[in-house]
Amino acid sequence: GQNIDQPTEMTATEGAIVQINCTYQTSGFNGLFWYQQHAGEAPTFLSYNVLDGLEEKGRFSSFLSRSKGYSYLLLKELQMKDSASYLCAVREGDAGNMLTFGGGTRLMVKP
Amino acid sequence: ETGVTQTPRHLVMGMTNKKSLKCEQHLGHNAMYWYKQSAKKPLELMFVYSLEERVENNSVPSRFSPECPNSSHLFLHLHTLQPEDSALYLCASSQGRSSGELFFGEGSRLTVL
Repeated sequence: GQNIDQPTEMTATEGAIVQINCTYQTSGFNGLFWYQQHAGEAPTFLSYNVLDGLEEKGRFSSFLSRSKGYSYLLLKELQMKDSASYLCAVREGDAGNMLTFGGGTRLMVKP
Repeated sequence: ETGVTQTPRHLVMGMTNKKSLKCEQHLGHNAMYWYKQSAKKPLELMFVYSLEERVENNSVPSRFSPECPNSSHLFLHLHTLQPEDSALYLCASSQGRSSGELFFGEGSRLTVL
């Protein structure tokens, strides 16, 4: 089984930087994913890490440390539209896309 | 506009009703999924169909019955549900079972009275 933890809520200011952490415990780790979900909408894919290090995609970056069971999503130059839930998900072993999701972090961006 | 379409978007049903949720993907993917999203709980995988093979979460009650007639269509048949089954049911698709990226529909909001 898997145990995935991330903060329930975070608040940040427009234009700032915010880091959303995710810790996990799993056997046979085979990838960590971040999804964004705006209220009332479908989750959308943000990033994928399977090797240690930082993956950068514009204003968003995702980091992974497999030895520590730890990832973070970094959002720079925050915009109001970044207010959403951010879901961390882990894939285990040869499980295909049978992802196990954390509870999500609701980010509120204030002016 | 999403490439994964779910109908109905909202459904209210009694505990003795039988209803079905429908999902259609227009992305040419060959794997489809049902997820359940309850308030203050993580997204929970219910069923996966990939290349006509079905994988299911053993904790899903038998009152939920999936059907996948082809790679573009997925149904979730609902029978004798309980109020605690009220949730958002999300369909997703992917290209293969190892591509890593799921494309979600906007969900069917189910309320069981």
